[in-house]
Amino acid sequence: DADVTQTPRNRITKTGKRIMLECSQTKGHDRMYWYRQDPGLGLRLIYYSFDVKDINKGEISDGYSVSRQAQAKFSLSLESAIPNQTALYFCATRQGGTDTQYFGPGTRLTVL
Amino acid sequence: KNEVEQSPQNLTAQEGEFITINCSYSVGISALHWLQQHPGGGIVSLFMLSSGKKKHGRLIATINIQEKHSSLHITASHPRDSAVYICAAGWDDKIIFGKGTRLHILP
Repeated sequence: DADVTQTPRNRITKTGKRIMLECSQTKGHDRMYWYRQDPGLGLRLIYYSFDVKDINKGEISDGYSVSRQAQAKFSLSLESAIPNQTALYFCATRQGGTDTQYFGPGTRLTVL
Repeated sequence: KNEVEQSPQNLTAQEGEFITINCSYSVGISALHWLQQHPGGGIVSLFMLSSGKKKHGRLIATINIQEKHSSLHITASHPRDSAVYICAAGWDDKIIFGKGTRLHILP
């Protein structure tokens, strides 16, 4: 079984809809991250969390919100989706004090 | 502001060739990462370096801290090595990703 899972894997939605992307991990890591990837651009950080009570904005947080429901779960919400949020979204985890991040399989989101 | 630049952006080579992908960054880091993104989109961590050189199978990663430069080498390349290779620079709790190098190995 995968250590970092994301649901859904693919989603097509319409402008203005509220969307939630979910991430779960069984690695026991304290740190979790949400990134988006656009063609021709590197991965960009949306939000990150060092533990359940510690949520931080990344470089492109506008239009997104997050919830760390438990150490193992980190959800990303688009309150009112817009077409330029069409992208591939990755969740990642890392244990504090180490440097390696472990990525989920990605969620391909299309906003029409 | 730390920036990560990779070269080349795209690389096509014949099976068996020795491959080199380069990565430069602009400020001091604590770790340099090399990641592989498969055609299906999944991302796998290949190496994390803070100094010197690491080897795993046919993959070799090197870093020169003074020159702020890292290279990823693939020996005896194979079509299954076709992927996007991403360099990422980490410091404190930050990490910045390069745009990736798309590698295509022809049989």
